[in-house]
Amino acid sequence: EDQVTQSPEALRLQEGESSSLNCSYTVSGLRGLFWYRQDPGKGPEFLFTLYSAGEEKEKERLKATLTKKESFLHITAPKPEDSATYLCAVQARRGSTLGRLYFGRGTQLTVWP
Amino acid sequence: KAGVTQTPRYLIKTRGQQVTLSCSPISGHRSVSWYQQTPGQGLQFLFEYFSETQRNKGNFPGRFSGRQFSNSRSEMNVSTLELGDSALYLCASSPDRGLASDTQYFGPGTRLTVL
Repeated sequence: EDQVTQSPEALRLQEGESSSLNCSYTVSGLRGLFWYRQDPGKGPEFLFTLYSAGEEKEKERLKATLTKKESFLHITAPKPEDSATYLCAVQARRGSTLGRLYFGRGTQLTVWP
Repeated sequence: KAGVTQTPRYLIKTRGQQVTLSCSPISGHRSVSWYQQTPGQGLQFLFEYFSETQRNKGNFPGRFSGRQFSNSRSEMNVSTLELGDSALYLCASSPDRGLASDTQYFGPGTRLTVL
């Protein structure tokens, strides 16, 4: 069964303190791995899509990497406005599950000044 | 380009009633997916529509249904509401070009409260 596990569940960082969020996945044939940011009461906001092991993508203070079993979201010198829940999701290659994303439970990040 | 829009944003219903939620995808996007988000279960897939056809369905009871119109707009319906249906209902659209995994872009959600 396709599964996504994120860790830690919650993370508190001081402003400027870099860290990484982990997303481990089990899927038969990865079609894509997605990172989203979600603020309270809002819909998930797209950050990155990764397709194959070794791929990396960056956006401002965020960098996402992908291996065959997990993905990391590295946050460099975070600011309070980076506080949010970060969600990881995978899409399987099987035709029967096209259009379906399997989500992890998310990591709730709090950055304090 | 306008994002995914969902209406209404908030809804309060009582047990036994039914509800219809609406989603307008990003212009040009042909695939629309629906998700339910609760604190206990996280984000769970409901169903996905492409060219007015349901292509995928998650593990939800038959009380949950949906449809897609020729302009790609989609609606989902929940009949005989239960307290446990209280959740944030999210709609997502993607271009679905069929060549590679297409990113899904989410709307702001409809917050449904069942009393």
